[in-house]
Amino acid sequence: AQTVTQSQPEMSVQEAETVTLSCTYDTSESDYYLFWYKQPPSRQMILVIRQEAYKQQNATENRFSVNFQKAAKSFSLKISDSQLGDAAMYFCAYGRGAQKLVFGQGTRLTINP
Amino acid sequence: DAGVIQSPRHEVTEMGQEVTLRCKPISGHDYLFWYRQTMMRGLELLIYFNNNVPIDDSGMPEDRFSAKMPNASFSTLKIQPSEPRDSAVYFCASSPPTGGETQYFGPGTRLLVL
Repeated sequence: AQTVTQSQPEMSVQEAETVTLSCTYDTSESDYYLFWYKQPPSRQMILVIRQEAYKQQNATENRFSVNFQKAAKSFSLKISDSQLGDAAMYFCAYGRGAQKLVFGQGTRLTINP
Repeated sequence: DAGVIQSPRHEVTEMGQEVTLRCKPISGHDYLFWYRQTMMRGLELLIYFNNNVPIDDSGMPEDRFSAKMPNASFSTLKIQPSEPRDSAVYFCASSPPTGGETQYFGPGTRLLVL
């Protein structure tokens, strides 16, 4: 069974600085997708970024980028120029086709002004 | 475009009562997922549908839980009878037919069973 591990329960960063959240996963499949979701205090799950495993190029969405290392089964999220609104729980997730997402335990990110 | 809509947003009920959670997926999406989030177990899939047909209900905890999708724009998750351990946030998510891998979540229903 696929598993997703986020080893950092909590992280903090100064406003305007850069922070990297870690995620590793385990799968025997070669074709899959990886996601980062953000959950602010409102509890809404918001898609931040997604990566297709068959693409070598790392996905980027404005201040958010990933470092996808397929062989190492690693999928980290980098947030540049951190803003107060980035404070939230961040979940890494694995998906394969139209099937369930497997989520990590989450990392709580605090932004210090 | 409206996102996934869930109702109610909050529900407080007493043990033994029936609870019905509702979801309207994004128009045109033909996959619908129900997840539960708790502190102990994190986010876990309960059941998902494709074209209104249940595909995988292996995450449904027990017979007290049931889910239906009578049409493409509506789904319900019912708990009968409810127990305090059912207290959680229940999310509905939908995804489009092409690829179907990106799931868009509703705001969730926070359920408290006393």
